[in-house]
Amino acid sequence: SAVISQKPSRDICQRGTSLTIQCQVDSQVTMMFWYRQQPGQSLTLIATANQGSEATYESGFVIDKFPISRPNLTFSTLTVSNMSPEDSSIYLCSVGAGDRYEQYFGPGTRLTVT
Amino acid sequence: AQRVTQPEKLLSVFKGAPVELKCNYSYSGSPELFWYVQYSRQRLQLLLRHISRESIKGFTADLNKGETSFHLKKPFAQEEDSAMYYCALQSGGSYIPTFGRGTSLIVHP
Repeated sequence: SAVISQKPSRDICQRGTSLTIQCQVDSQVTMMFWYRQQPGQSLTLIATANQGSEATYESGFVIDKFPISRPNLTFSTLTVSNMSPEDSSIYLCSVGAGDRYEQYFGPGTRLTVT
Repeated sequence: AQRVTQPEKLLSVFKGAPVELKCNYSYSGSPELFWYVQYSRQRLQLLLRHISRESIKGFTADLNKGETSFHLKKPFAQEEDSAMYYCALQSGGSYIPTFGRGTSLIVHP
């Protein structure tokens, strides 16, 4: 298993600004993921972040809007750039761990853009 | 392309009633299937994996390759089972999961 922490837990930001979300894992993992979750709705994968390589973005998400860093095997950041109210959501970090690479999730960052 | 379908957005039952949360998938190979649960104000967490064939908190799920289903079942629902449940598929060789849209289970007293 893996224990994941995220910072900040929540934030209220103004339109046009950027927010960087940090994700810390208690063990070294190869695969880290960033999701967006609307309350009561499904998870949307933003990108896969592997250490030592560029993040792989899903359709509809671009690096300029959601730059990701993965400097080592225990840490990653997601930046939400030039925010608009449509970016208001919960952002989740997860890792693939265990013998079946099941997902372990962080507590999430609740972002509100005004 | 792989897909996971959870046809029910909301499932409402009374305490003690049986519950079945449906999950169907489309994938041509051998899938790895999971159920995740998110209780109120808690993080999303793994509930069970098909490969383990285990019962967790009274829940079981059987992979039916003929019907491409992985329904989650519990014979007697409890109020503490109220949560959001997500079915997820990982294809062989890929560790990137595909999630269903989730089913909100409400168990009434």
